[in-house]
Amino acid sequence: NAGVMQNPRHLVRRRGQEARLRCSPMKGHSHVYWYRQLPEEGLKFMVYLQKENIIDESGMPKERFSAEFPKEGPSILRIQQVVRGDSAAYFCASSPSPSYEQYFGPGTRLTVT
Amino acid sequence: GDSVTQMEGPVTLSEEAFLTINCTYTATGYPSLFWYVQYPGEGLQLLLKATKADDKGSNKGFEATYRKETTSFHLEKGSVQVSDSAVYFCALSNRDDKIIFGKGTRLHILP
Repeated sequence: NAGVMQNPRHLVRRRGQEARLRCSPMKGHSHVYWYRQLPEEGLKFMVYLQKENIIDESGMPKERFSAEFPKEGPSILRIQQVVRGDSAAYFCASSPSPSYEQYFGPGTRLTVT
Repeated sequence: GDSVTQMEGPVTLSEEAFLTINCTYTATGYPSLFWYVQYPGEGLQLLLKATKADDKGSNKGFEATYRKETTSFHLEKGSVQVSDSAVYFCALSNRDDKIIFGKGTRLHILP
């Protein structure tokens, strides 16, 4: 059973471009969580999604950031008009239910130049 | 709101030394507590967890006890190895939908 997969592993964008980060949860997992890790910081919760629904987006910046988890395909975290402050590692986690352990992917390291 | 505070690193120890990484938390109710480990270039792996007061989580020689009276969940290992070099995160979950992490403690083990 493959683990949580994220791609790309590294992404470089210029200021003003869009960044799309993908997360494929573990097989059988319908709950996806996105976290952001700034340099030398812990992970901060961004958003929690179930298939086709956003359950909790209390950690998402109000502008430029959006997330989706369609019926088919991976979850996508989208950052529009990136700025240098968006440079971070973005981790996705999945679980089969909200009360179960979250399994983390290897992360996508976004660098904005 | 809920929060986790852990000792700042880096922590540098010699192989076979005793390890303690302190962690305290602030939370309403009865959170579950976790230690995660992040090896260089990798994602987080759950190291151990405890879901109620006085529970002891253990794995790979690491232990932590859920102390509600001191709101603490300190990580310990009796004899560290070079392969334990990593960043360790203390965390809590007080709701079903998110985990709250400390800032992490970088551990260096010298051979």
